[in-house]
Amino acid sequence: IAGITQAPTSQILAAGRRMTLRCTQDMRHNAMYWYRQDLGLGLRLIHYSNTAGTTGKGEVPDGYSVSRANTDDFPLTLASAVPSQTSVYFCASSKGRLDIQYFGAGTRLSVL
Amino acid sequence: GQQLNQSPQSMFIQEGEDVSMNCTSSSIFNTWLWYKQDPGEGPVLLIALYKAGELTSNGRLTAQFGITRKDSFLNISASIPSDVGIYFCAGQSFAPDSWGKLQFGAGTQVVVTP
Repeated sequence: IAGITQAPTSQILAAGRRMTLRCTQDMRHNAMYWYRQDLGLGLRLIHYSNTAGTTGKGEVPDGYSVSRANTDDFPLTLASAVPSQTSVYFCASSKGRLDIQYFGAGTRLSVL
Repeated sequence: GQQLNQSPQSMFIQEGEDVSMNCTSSSIFNTWLWYKQDPGEGPVLLIALYKAGELTSNGRLTAQFGITRKDSFLNISASIPSDVGIYFCAGQSFAPDSWGKLQFGAGTQVVVTP
C-alpha cells in the first residue's frame, strides 16, 4: 500500500543524545515536510524540501537538520536533543509544493 | 506571520447532533483544508477548498471557503461515534515568500457520547 512510513513509532531519548527520525514515501512525491505537534499549538513546520537535493527552513527549525539525498527519503536529525523537543513528529509529502499534503502516522519522542 | 485561530477548542456532543467549527486568519489564503486526526495517527485530509465562496460536501461533512478568503467553517451533520477525533483547519498561501506553506489551526477536539 502506497504511503508514508515513519520510524521509529516512539522513542525515549536522553538529553544531549543524537537522534534521526526516518521518513520514506513511495508515492514519488517531489515535496516533503517535517512538522511537530504540541498540545494547543497544532502542527508547526520544522523543515521542508521542494525536491530532491533542496531543503528549506520552516517555522521552528532550530535544533533540527534535514537532508534530501533522493526523492523517497527525508530524515530529520536532532544533533543534541533537549527536553523542549519532546513532541509528536509528523512527516508529510505532496506531489508539488502547492499540492495536497499527506501525512505519516507520526513519531512520539520524549527527551528526558 | 499569519495567525490562524480555530474554535471551539473542544466540543462534547451527543450522537446525532450537528457539529460546527471554524477558522479565521489575519491574512488571506489561496486554499483552505480540513484534516481529521484519530488517536495515534497522522492527520487525514477531509475536504479541500480552492475558491472564495466555495461550498463543498463530503458525505456528512460540509465546508466553506469564506468570501474574504480569511475564514472557513466545517460542519458535521448527524454525528456518529467514529466522528471522535481532532479536526484541524489549514490554510495555504501561494505567495512566493510562503512557498505553499500550510498554516494549521490549534485543532478542535470532538467527543461524541451515545
